[in-house]
Amino acid sequence: GDSVTQTEGLVTLTKGLPVMLNCTYQTTYSPFLFWYVQHLNEAPKLLLKSSTDNKRTEHQGFYATLHKSSSSFHLQKSSVQLSDSALYFCALSDISGTYQRFGTGTKLQVVP
Amino acid sequence: NAGVIQTPRHKVTGKGQEATLWCEPISGHSAVFWYRQTIVQGLEFLTYFRNQAPIDDSGMPKERFSAQMPNQSHSTLKIQSTQPQDSAVYLCASSWGGRQDTQYFGPGTRLLVL
Repeated sequence: GDSVTQTEGLVTLTKGLPVMLNCTYQTTYSPFLFWYVQHLNEAPKLLLKSSTDNKRTEHQGFYATLHKSSSSFHLQKSSVQLSDSALYFCALSDISGTYQRFGTGTKLQVVP
Repeated sequence: NAGVIQTPRHKVTGKGQEATLWCEPISGHSAVFWYRQTIVQGLEFLTYFRNQAPIDDSGMPKERFSAQMPNQSHSTLKIQSTQPQDSAVYLCASSWGGRQDTQYFGPGTRLLVL
């Protein structure tokens, strides 16, 4: 069935280091991938989204590229800040909105 | 634009009591989603309305949970005979068109069942 997988539950990094949060998916439809970020005691909000193969999408220093060949949409940032500490969800839909799936989330903890 | 509004923000109920949670979607959005979030289970999908019609309730517990959308400006999630395991943050989200569109989440209702 359609599914999205985030392999890391918790990622702890020192400020200034690069980060990559993994997101892979399975679907037979044409995929639409999202990254949502949820800071502590706040609502999730959209960080990035894409349905275009091999095109890099960027926002607020974060970037991701949808690779249909490897069914991946990994989230990256070149230099994490303390304010990036949050829960990050990868989500999968299709371009027609037939279904949606959320990953289990990855907690990013940035330390000084 | 006020965003998605959820009331109450916090609710404490005794075991066996009923809890009704309210959601006002962003004006003009045709889709409304309900989720439950806990530390243990993470973000769980409950149900989805499109143009006020129930489209997908596959995540709703079959007993005690029900959701309605009587008009385009609000949706309710009702939990009958609440149990301690219902304690969670209940999130409502809305989007312009449906599941393929960006979802805008409300601040959530934190439900505590004693």
